[in-house]
Amino acid sequence: EAGVAQSPRYKIIEKRQSVAFWCNPISGHATLYWYQQILGQGPKLLIQFQNNGVVDDSQLPKDRFSAERLKGVDSTLKIQPAKLEDSAVYLCASSLDGRTGELFFGEGSRLTVL
Amino acid sequence: LAKTTQPISMDSYEGQEVNITCSHNNIATNDYITWYQQFPSQGPRFIIQGYKTKVTNEVASLFIPADRKSSTLSLPRVSLSDTAVYYCLVALGGSYIPTFGRGTSLIVHP
Repeated sequence: EAGVAQSPRYKIIEKRQSVAFWCNPISGHATLYWYQQILGQGPKLLIQFQNNGVVDDSQLPKDRFSAERLKGVDSTLKIQPAKLEDSAVYLCASSLDGRTGELFFGEGSRLTVL
Repeated sequence: LAKTTQPISMDSYEGQEVNITCSHNNIATNDYITWYQQFPSQGPRFIIQGYKTKVTNEVASLFIPADRKSSTLSLPRVSLSDTAVYYCLVALGGSYIPTFGRGTSLIVHP
């Protein structure tokens, strides 16, 4: 069974530029999560989708971050404009139905903002 | 969401049993307790989940006392490859919003 796919693995941009990350969850998984993990910290939940609806986005900086999950499958996370403090690993995870504790994570997309 | 407290770091040696305790004093009746493991440059990986008493799988055991205000992840006979960060999560069984804390950094020495 294929795991959660993310791209790109690495991205370097200058501040005020924009960037987009893509995630393809495990087939059949209804729930998709985007996390931000800054070096030395635990993952911070940015947004949680159930199919194509948003369950929680309380920690998503909506002035610069946006996310969508069209057709309830793939998802894109965008940052525009980027700030230095956005340098982090962006992790995508999926789960079967969002009611159990087993999340499956991708390898992450490492963003460096210069 | 129930707040969790774990030790920031732990050290052990190969072959020893390691127990990592997580405190969750305000756990709710329908909360489950889930543990994840994360290696550098990888996403977290599910280890084990439980609600009460004891759960065991091929990787670890999870001990939960009757009051459920804490839980202990037990790793039997650790090896160097168990060096990782371990996270304890507590969330509602009905509307699960998985929130990670800072985790426990375990270093296993030869």
